Amino acid sequence: AQSVTQPDIHITVSEGASLELRCNYSYGATPYLFWYVQSPGQGLQLLLKYFSGDTLVQGIKGFEAEFKRSQSSFNLRKPSVHWSDAAEYFCAVGPRDYKLSFGAGTTVTVRA
Amino acid sequence: NAGVTQTPKFRILKIGQSMTLQCAQDMNHNYMYWYRQDPGMGLKLIYYSVGAGITDKGEVPNGYNVSRSTTEDFPLRLELAAPSQTSVYFCASSNPGQAGTEAFFGQGTRLTVV
Repeated sequence: AQSVTQPDIHITVSEGASLELRCNYSYGATPYLFWYVQSPGQGLQLLLKYFSGDTLVQGIKGFEAEFKRSQSSFNLRKPSVHWSDAAEYFCAVGPRDYKLSFGAGTTVTVRA
Repeated sequence: NAGVTQTPKFRILKIGQSMTLQCAQDMNHNYMYWYRQDPGMGLKLIYYSVGAGITDKGEVPNGYNVSRSTTEDFPLRLELAAPSQTSVYFCASSNPGQAGTEAFFGQGTRLTVV
């Protein structure tokens, strides 16, 4: 069975500081991995995805994520956070991009 | 290009009432999904469809029904609303197999059952 764990429920970061969100997955085969962002009252928007190839993936809004098979992890990073990055972030795993399993989410608060 | 459109955005139901959550996409995607989102639980898959006339259960299908008569529409039906169905519901669509494809989400329907 596939599953995702996001260990951090809530992270507070200062504007301009770096951000790292953790994601650990369980999946029997080569996973398809995704990070989505949800702003308040909005649907989910895809930040980036990993299917194969280079394990460091670049996404939109300056985000990147690194796939580490040995650690079953797919952590999301941003070097310098902007106030507009305050949102909820979801990691997901699945075969291709249907029947995804989502983590419980990490809420990011950005302080001035 | 509207993407995935969900209606209504908000709804309050009484216990035992029924309703249909509407979802339409204009991207000609074959796959469509219904998720529910509860605080601290992430998104759980209710039902999905891989094409018109084909639907299947996800993780949490009890209390819900779906149909897919066209490629564009994927309504979710609640027959006898219960407080446990208070949640935010998201519809999504995708076309797995195409390079660079992703799941597109609607803006959600916030449902409260009282």
